[in-house]
Amino acid sequence: GAVVSQHPSWVICKSGTSVKIECRSLDFQATTMFWYRQFPKQSLMLMATSNEGSKATYEQGVEKDKFLINHASLTLSTLTVTSAHPEDSSFYICSARDHLGASNQPQHFGDGTRLSIL
Amino acid sequence: AQSVTQPDIHITVSEGASLELRCNYSYGATPYLFWYVQSPGQGLQLLLKYFSGDTLVQGIKGFEAEFKRSQSSFNLRKPSVHWSDAAEYFCAVGFTGGGNKLTFGTGTQLKVEL
Repeated sequence: GAVVSQHPSWVICKSGTSVKIECRSLDFQATTMFWYRQFPKQSLMLMATSNEGSKATYEQGVEKDKFLINHASLTLSTLTVTSAHPEDSSFYICSARDHLGASNQPQHFGDGTRLSIL
Repeated sequence: AQSVTQPDIHITVSEGASLELRCNYSYGATPYLFWYVQSPGQGLQLLLKYFSGDTLVQGIKGFEAEFKRSQSSFNLRKPSVHWSDAAEYFCAVGFTGGGNKLTFGTGTQLKVEL
């Protein structure tokens, strides 16, 4: 149980393109999902907390107009990298927590999306 | 502010040898603690978690971890390492009232020699 599916797993696109990444909880409902960015050989950096039915909460220094987050249902959150540039190239990972769990329940992670902007 | 430290960036062990990965945290409140493993190009898999109760917790793949409040540590151990355990290991900490957010350590890269 507790499977999180992230799509696509790898995307290469031209500079200036907008890219959408999907994060789905397959066998549970998630009121809250999280989006992380990971640079090579580094830890995960939390970008934003995605809340179902409301606006996302962004971490300091993350451009909300650059990284659009939509959490329209209890099983789907999307991250759109708008007008992507080479510096946006990174590994993006989402996670989700079962909404029925207590606040200390673990986050379950997707397999990540490798984004390469040419 | 809360912080998580994994002092060892890289560790190399021989297959069959024991393993201990260190994790120290800095928190005012009682934390809840996790260990995750990441294979190259993939997401994170939960190995084990500690919320309360018994300070020695068992996880998947033969891993265990011990919470020591006096040392602010949550070290991960395995008595006999397998070649398939080679991966990146992350310690993560959260706390009640923290908005469900986790703070991750910088990770420890484990290499297993055959």
